[in-house]
Amino acid sequence: NAGVTQTPKFRILKIGQSMTLQCTQDMNHNYMYWYRQDPGMGLKLIYYSVGAGITDKGEVPNGYNVSRSTTEDFPLRLELAAPSQTSVYFCASSQGSYTGELFFGEGSRLTVL
Amino acid sequence: AQSVAQPEDQVNVAEGNPLTVKCTYSVSGNPYLFWYVQYPNRGLQFLLKYITGDNLVKGSYGFEAEFNKSQTSFHLKKPSALVSDSALYFCAVRGRNNNDMRFGAGTRLTVKP
Repeated sequence: NAGVTQTPKFRILKIGQSMTLQCTQDMNHNYMYWYRQDPGMGLKLIYYSVGAGITDKGEVPNGYNVSRSTTEDFPLRLELAAPSQTSVYFCASSQGSYTGELFFGEGSRLTVL
Repeated sequence: AQSVAQPEDQVNVAEGNPLTVKCTYSVSGNPYLFWYVQYPNRGLQFLLKYITGDNLVKGSYGFEAEFNKSQTSFHLKKPSALVSDSALYFCAVRGRNNNDMRFGAGTRLTVKP
C-alpha cells in the first residue's frame, strides 16, 4: 500500500511565487492534516480536514490555503511565498475520530529564496 | 488549546541500558496521548498511544509508556536500548472533542555502543 504520498519532495521558490504541495492517501481516511517542521520547534499544525468539503485552521495558517474536494486529496497552497515559509512540510491522515494515530507522508522540503 | 512539553532536547544512553524520554501535557479534560519516532529524512511513524484503561501502554519495537494523570505525564521507556533506537521522538496530545493533534518539540535520542 502507498499510504500517504506527497509531491514534490523538494522545491525551491523565489519570494512572491506561489505553489501547491500535493497530498493523497489511499487508506480511505476521513481526517487529513498539514504540518510544518522547523528545527527545534517540533511540528506545527497548519490546516486540517475532517472530511471532504470541510477544512479548519490549525496553529499557523497564515500564508496558506487548503481545499478538500475528495476523501483522497488534500493539497496545500502557498500564496506569495516568503522566506519564513522555508520548512519541511508533512501531510498526514488518520482514521475515525479522536483516538486514531496519524499516518505521515515522507515530507516536502521547501526553500524560499 | 492542548499542548505538549518535552523538557529534554537530547537524551544519551549506552546500548543495553534503560532509556526514558519525558513528556508532559496540558489539555482540558481527559487526553489522548501518542508517541511517534522520526528517522532522518523520513516522516513520523506511530509507536504507541494511550486512550483509556491501563496506565502502562506497550507499543512497537519494545517501547512502552506510562500515563500518569496526577503528574500530567506520559514518559516513553524501554528496558534495554539499541543503537538502532537512535532517532527523534515526538510526544503528541489530542483532547477529547478536539480534531487536531499537537506535538512537542521533539527529543533526540542517541544510543551509543
